[in-house]
Amino acid sequence: GQQVMQIPQYQHVQEGEDFTTYCNSSTTLSNIQWYKQRPGGHPVFLIQLVKSGEVKKQKRLTFQFGEAKKNSSLHITATQTTDVGTYFCAGTANSGYALNFGKGTSLLVTP
Amino acid sequence: TAGITQAPTSQILAAGRSMTLRCTQDMRHNAMYWYRQDLGLGLRLIHYSNTAGTTGKGEVPDGYSVSRANTDDFPLTLASAVPSQTSVYFCASSEGFSPTDTQYFGPGTRLTVL
Repeated sequence: GQQVMQIPQYQHVQEGEDFTTYCNSSTTLSNIQWYKQRPGGHPVFLIQLVKSGEVKKQKRLTFQFGEAKKNSSLHITATQTTDVGTYFCAGTANSGYALNFGKGTSLLVTP
Repeated sequence: TAGITQAPTSQILAAGRSMTLRCTQDMRHNAMYWYRQDLGLGLRLIHYSNTAGTTGKGEVPDGYSVSRANTDDFPLTLASAVPSQTSVYFCASSEGFSPTDTQYFGPGTRLTVL
């Protein structure tokens, strides 16, 4: 079945450093969604990408969808302690109906 | 609005006992989902319902059952709990059953099976 792989599993940065998490699929995706889960909380939707090569920005967060629609990335510029949490990508295969979540990247930001 | 509520918040359950995790949404969403979250394994889909009266199996359905008698409620039942079902359970809903629909998650139920 379709798998969505996410790397790295963990990332520890100093406040102000940049951070990137990558999401890769074995099959072409119809779309990809990104969610953030704060420690002790529940996943919260951040953004969705549907077009090949699409780039979207939310303040310090930049999301990209690969040209082949098999990979995606989330880049945070100048991290802050409020960025702490686990970031999940979730994608659906062209022939599928359900979102397949990656295992997530846990980000720790120290002041 | 409340969005999605789950009950209980946490529970300790003896192995072999049954339990129902409750999930209610007030957004009139058509689709609802149950996930379990385990350290290092991310979110795994247990069961889903694309509309009231219809349910389907996800990635890890064994040991769990669901029902969708109405739009708002989607209970998850463990008929005979086992320790491997210790996990955090999240209910979610989306307006439609399309891959592009945003999923909204409840606060979760932390279940420990001893």
